[in-house]
Amino acid sequence: NAGVTQTPKFQVLKTGQSMTLQCAQDMNHEYMSWYRQDPGMGLRLIHYSVGAGITDQGEVPNGYNVSRSTTEDFPLRLLSAAPSQTSVYFCASSYLGQGTEAFFGQGTRLTVV
Amino acid sequence: GESVGLHLPTLSVQEGDNSIINCAYSNSASDYFIWYKQESGKGPQFIIDIRSNMDKRQGQRVTVLLNKTVKHLSLQIAATQPGDSAVYFCAEETSYDKVIFGPGTSLSVIP
Repeated sequence: NAGVTQTPKFQVLKTGQSMTLQCAQDMNHEYMSWYRQDPGMGLRLIHYSVGAGITDQGEVPNGYNVSRSTTEDFPLRLLSAAPSQTSVYFCASSYLGQGTEAFFGQGTRLTVV
Repeated sequence: GESVGLHLPTLSVQEGDNSIINCAYSNSASDYFIWYKQESGKGPQFIIDIRSNMDKRQGQRVTVLLNKTVKHLSLQIAATQPGDSAVYFCAEETSYDKVIFGPGTSLSVIP
């Protein structure tokens, strides 16, 4: 059981470049989400999805796009990377509904220069 | 606005002592709270949770206390071990699809 798998683990981008952070889960969870983690700021929600074909914005969605074509995959796209997007990104999944534990991936450390 | 915060950003304890990590929340409508542990280079992992209809919940060496009157949450770790060194986050579920995380407390265990 792989759980939540994120790729890549590390990435360096130049300002203005685009890329996609991949996230896949094999637990048949309806709910998937992306967070960014910055020093002293905890985890901030970027985008989330409650099921295939449904996505919504979190606290800090600007500069990021998502799609959810399957239950398993929830990629995060940076269309034009900016230095302010330098962060560690975590994908999480859980069953839908209140009171459910979230499972996190190992994270992607992104540096934008 | 909504917020979940921690009183102490860092905490150092001697091995074998008990640790207490505190958290304040502001949304009185939240009814589910979770503590996560994040080890260096890894994603957060679930430790223990508590629903708003409870005041206390115990796990293996961990206890979570919830005081709804003052909107305060705490995580107690008994007989702290070096493997407990990590960053601990409290999280507040404000609706079925929204979870707010606090900034985290770094726990350092002194051998």
